[in-house]
Amino acid sequence: EVQLVESGGGSVQPGRSLRLSCAASGFTFDDYAMHWVRQTPGRGLEWVSGISWNSGTIGYADSVKGRFTISRDNAKNSLYLQMNSLRAEDTALYYCAKDSHDFDYFHYWGQGTLVTVSS
Amino acid sequence: QSALIQPASVSGSPGQSITISCTGTSSDVGNYNRVSWYQKHPDKAPKLVIYEGSERPSGVSNRFSGSKSVNTASLTISGLQAEDEADYYCCSYAGSSTLIFGGGTKLTVL
Repeated sequence: EVQLVESGGGSVQPGRSLRLSCAASGFTFDDYAMHWVRQTPGRGLEWVSGISWNSGTIGYADSVKGRFTISRDNAKNSLYLQMNSLRAEDTALYYCAKDSHDFDYFHYWGQGTLVTVSS
Repeated sequence: QSALIQPASVSGSPGQSITISCTGTSSDVGNYNRVSWYQKHPDKAPKLVIYEGSERPSGVSNRFSGSKSVNTASLTISGLQAEDEADYYCCSYAGSSTLIFGGGTKLTVL
């Protein structure tokens, strides 16, 4: 059974940093691209970033480019999102999602970790 | 990266059919066969219901179907049931290793 468990969320002040993690199990992690998708009450679902199986291809939404960094450790079956210079508009529930292959679609989702950016 | 355009809300009675549109451009929906649809119930993770425009994952009811014409993709739900009431989001590959969602559509089953 595919399982994706996010962690690392919390409450942080604007301008600070936070690192999210996603622990994957139940599939061959290094065969698939992985993504971060967030949900905000006002803007629905928003794709944040994706990374190919070997980290050779990485993409970011314009809204986070230059501030967020996605990475993965295939030996640890883990996905990460380093979030710097956080803004109030980054407040959201952040989901880790498994791709079907390589930037195709989100086959499985975690339950999410909540990030709140507020002074 | 502008969001794909979806109607804010649609509604239908049990047993009826509804269609949700998802309009993009020739740079995303129109250029790739990588449109997917997700069902989102409150406090639940999104669930894939359609991929590659019209393919249904194993376990998803055949009441869900998808199609695409030029720059617009559509999700049709036939034989509406109360459990179908949810938010629905389309998503497309947009080139350069990016993906883009629609703004979401709230389906109300009357």
